Parts: sequence; structure tokens; C-alpha cells
Amino acid sequence: DAKTTQPNSMESNEEEPVHLPCNHSTISGTDYIHWYRQLPSQGPEYVIHGLTSNVNNRMASLAIAEDRKSSTLILHRATLRDAAVYYCILVNTNAGKSTFGDGTTLTVKP
Amino acid sequence: SQTIHQWPATLVQPVGSPLSLECTVEGTSNPNLYWYRQAAGRGLQLLFYSVGIGQISSEVPQNLSASRPQDRQFILSSKKLLLSDSGFYLCAWSLNYGYTFGSGTRLTVV
Repeated sequence: DAKTTQPNSMESNEEEPVHLPCNHSTISGTDYIHWYRQLPSQGPEYVIHGLTSNVNNRMASLAIAEDRKSSTLILHRATLRDAAVYYCILVNTNAGKSTFGDGTTLTVKP
Repeated sequence: SQTIHQWPATLVQPVGSPLSLECTVEGTSNPNLYWYRQAAGRGLQLLFYSVGIGQISSEVPQNLSASRPQDRQFILSSKKLLLSDSGFYLCAWSLNYGYTFGSGTRLTVV
């Protein structure tokens, strides 16, 4: 299964936008790009996913590069509750499993 | 709606004791089921996954085993716990795309 690369940590100020990058240079044509976030002592929760086109939902936006080798999770206005570890993974329904890296720890400063 | 139940939330066990963690899913049929372990400050390590009853794939050699006696039940076991088995254990399910995680079990082996 293909791997992803994310920065270990990022900081943001409250009420400002946050752009969390993810590289997935070995992505295959049938891999979906998924983002999850994990609060302390909780299981990860789904944030957003996409295949080729940019996606928006109530939680975030996902910008996917044209060659699909990278993507960016966008939180339009960070709040203190957005402080979490964010994971970018590739999901292929044929593979049956995905690899989670160490993710990006987002710190939001008031 | 689909829900996933995982228990207990916390567990302290002596070295050499057995382990049984149970995970059940409601509201879906024939899901893929997963057991992950997370060390402090690290990402998720896939331990086992199952695509059907009695079908278990092990990702890493270890002191643990998994079983799927029913379609929506996934059990993680050990005959004799080691100190290195301590960690945060997460059960998850997926169907077609994406993952839904349980709330996790924090296991401390003493």
C-alpha cells in the first residue's frame, strides 16, 4: 500500500486558516485520499476524502494537486477544538488496508 | 446508522496474564475489520485485519492474535501479556471506503 508524508507538526493562530500538506508521490489511480483527525485519547475521526477534484464539507476543504501526488487539507478558520493529530492516508478498496503514518500535530494558539 | 463498540476503555493487566479485547459493529454487514495499536505520540500500527468471518491477516509478528467468530465481532487476544504490549488499541471497520474507529482501549501491562 502506498505511503504518505506529512510534516510532524504545525502551528496556527485561532481564527486563521490552516493548510496541512501531504505528499503521496506513489499514489495509484484507484487510491482515494482520506484525511482523519485524532483528539487525545480518542479514535481518529473522518474529516474528508477525495479522488481527483477538490472537495468541501462542513469541516474542511481538500485541495488535490493535478498530478494527485500531493494534497492539502484546509481548515478555513482554526479553532482551539481543531488542535489534533491529522492523518493523511490512501484508501484503496481493493487493498483492504491502509497505512497511517505519524500524522501532523496541529497546535492552535489563542 | 452504523456504530462501533469497543471495550473496556482502560485496562491494567499484569505481565503474563491473558488478554481479550472485543469490538462489535452495528448497522452494517460484512465490513472489513481492523485492530490497530498506537504507542504514545506515534501513529497507528496495523496489527490485524479481516475481510470476513474466520479470515484474519496478521501484519506484524507479535504476541497477539485475532479472531472473527461472527460477521460483526472482532476479538484481540493474548495468552501471556508482555510489557511491550502496552498501548492504545483501536478497532475500526470499513465498507467500500473510509474507516470508522472505536473509542479505543488503553492497555497498561505492569
